[in-house]
Amino acid sequence: RKEVEQDPGPFNVPEGATVAFNCTYSNSASQSFFWYRQDCRKEPKLLMSVYSSGNEDGRFTAQLNRASQYISLLIRDSKLSDSATYLCVVNSRAGTALIFGKGTTLSVSS
Amino acid sequence: EPEVTQTPSHQVTQMGQEVILRCVPISNHLYFYWYRQILGQKVEFLVSFYNNEISEKSEIFDDQFSVERPDGSNFTLKIRSTKLEDSAMYFCASSGLAGEGYEQYFGPGTRLTVT
Repeated sequence: RKEVEQDPGPFNVPEGATVAFNCTYSNSASQSFFWYRQDCRKEPKLLMSVYSSGNEDGRFTAQLNRASQYISLLIRDSKLSDSATYLCVVNSRAGTALIFGKGTTLSVSS
Repeated sequence: EPEVTQTPSHQVTQMGQEVILRCVPISNHLYFYWYRQILGQKVEFLVSFYNNEISEKSEIFDDQFSVERPDGSNFTLKIRSTKLEDSAMYFCASSGLAGEGYEQYFGPGTRLTVT
């Protein structure tokens, strides 16, 4: 069973659209959850941490459901610059391995 | 804003040769990591390093790999005898103490090509 699963996409949306990405993880001992963004042939960049109560950062909203082992990311009012691969990432404790999903590719067009 | 740096950006080597990839983590971070990403695949954990020793390693990190912190700033990954399948992007990352969050910050990567 894959540790972190994501819909690979691609998601092709027009500017201004709202798009949602989902992710499930298999290790119930996971403690920390993140969304990273990766542009083509670049490093993963931390987009946001995901907290149990859900959290928002501008146009981005992340949700966590520990019972279902499910994480989501909502992007509102998509911009061309949002085009990238979004990586769902989990971690069991500080200083240990991040476990990455394969990523979901988003393409925003004008 | 502090950032992780890596050198070289691209390394081409012949099969069987040794390579050393270099990283300078964020200065006040205490945990250091190496990950790799084969083209078209997901990012995979190799090793974590804390207090001058390996704290965790994956199955990928076999006897061909080693890590070192030779001084107060550099963190290196050595591959002793490269194989074709070692061709990948290698990312270094660092993070602070648990109380400061679990976030790991990545360097720009070294693209390793083994021919």
